[in-house]
Amino acid sequence: GQNIDQPTEMTATEGAIVQINCTYQTSGFNGLFWYQQHAGEAPTFLSYNVLDGLEEKGRFSSFLSRSKGYSYLLLKELQMKDSASYLCAVISRQAGTALIFGKGTTLSVSS
Amino acid sequence: SQTIHQWPATLVQPVGSPLSLECTVEGTSNPNLYWYRQAAGRGLQLLFYSVGIGQISSEVPQNLSASRPQDRQFILSSKKLLLSDSGFYLCAWSPAPGQPQHFGDGTRLSIL
Repeated sequence: GQNIDQPTEMTATEGAIVQINCTYQTSGFNGLFWYQQHAGEAPTFLSYNVLDGLEEKGRFSSFLSRSKGYSYLLLKELQMKDSASYLCAVISRQAGTALIFGKGTTLSVSS
Repeated sequence: SQTIHQWPATLVQPVGSPLSLECTVEGTSNPNLYWYRQAAGRGLQLLFYSVGIGQISSEVPQNLSASRPQDRQFILSSKKLLLSDSGFYLCAWSPAPGQPQHFGDGTRLSIL
């Protein structure tokens, strides 16, 4: 089967750095995605990793280790607007074209 | 650039009534299209996906159905809604399998 685990909640303060971890178990791994979802809104695409290593995009970076079934999303210079749920999703050849989502990590940023 | 439109934004329906949610994509051709549901406190669950006109794959057995009558149009339907059908319904598209998916604004469906 397929399984994705992420922490349910995290808190941090403005200006800080936070790392949101995601572990997954799937056969035929074909890529990992991170999405941001503000309360009541649709998810928006943040990053995509298919090979091992770090992908940097402004204040957000995402890391992947396929051998460990592990990824993290790193958010730097946190802002209040970063308070949202962060969803980890994997795509596998077994699941066809579909994304399998974790339940998401709710991040609360305080001043 | 590509855009995805989904409507209505909110919907309140009685149990046993029919349902039709529509999703259209602009600015691309032959997109992969998806319907997801997000229930309160739960993750996104894939309901249907389509790789082409008239081609629908169902992920979860239920009283919902999907159709793709045109290349960039994806419709989610039900003949008779259940209380358990309440949730946030999201349409998404991707240019090809394995590529990032981009979501519409979603429809919040409440069943009374």
